[in-house]
Amino acid sequence: SQQGEEDPQALSIQEGENATMNCSYKTSINNLQWYRQNSGRGLVHLILIRSNEREKHSGRLRVTLDTSKKSSSLLITASRAADTASYFCATDGGAQKLVFGQGTRLTINP
Amino acid sequence: GAGVSQSPRYKVAKRGQDVALRCDPISGHVSLFWYQQALGQGPEFLTYFQNEAQLDKSGLPSDRFFAERPEGSVSTLKIQRTQQEDSAVYLCASSSYRGAGEKLFFGSGTQLSVL
Repeated sequence: SQQGEEDPQALSIQEGENATMNCSYKTSINNLQWYRQNSGRGLVHLILIRSNEREKHSGRLRVTLDTSKKSSSLLITASRAADTASYFCATDGGAQKLVFGQGTRLTINP
Repeated sequence: GAGVSQSPRYKVAKRGQDVALRCDPISGHVSLFWYQQALGQGPEFLTYFQNEAQLDKSGLPSDRFFAERPEGSVSTLKIQRTQQEDSAVYLCASSSYRGAGEKLFFGSGTQLSVL
């Protein structure tokens, strides 16, 4: 079974707008990661945030983590058509494997 | 190698056939994972190898699923007597860490269709 839930399941915005996706998880974690998956391809690692961090930035990506609420958010600023993809959060849950959420399908309209 | 390589890219099998899916991880990566991804869903964990040792196979759905990594590099996922519910994309991922660590590198997957 999957650890987390992403919200929303699907998001459609105009190019240049910001996109925010949320992830909730169930168990305690060491870190939380976000991945992107283009249609028909494998997943690509975007960013990792550790359990003792609250916010992290990488280029146009901003990730927050609230361990008290067991939730994280991914913000993509100034979206581009190339950002169209599915986005997944993944947690380690203290174990050696990653457990993925259901994903958010993001569509950027030109 | 440059990345994780999976073959075949697509596989069509008749119900009841056996299939074998191959994964070539990044050279030197200690950990190797198999995931199953149904259409519109997130990847579901199947099994994990650390070198040649299969440390976790808790995600394998039935005893028809079998994975091996005999020399600690290439891995094969075998599905016996395929059923329609086995239709999915099978993803392989590797990591230089023991366990998933801080990043997994994924292959492009094998899309299995069971007719």
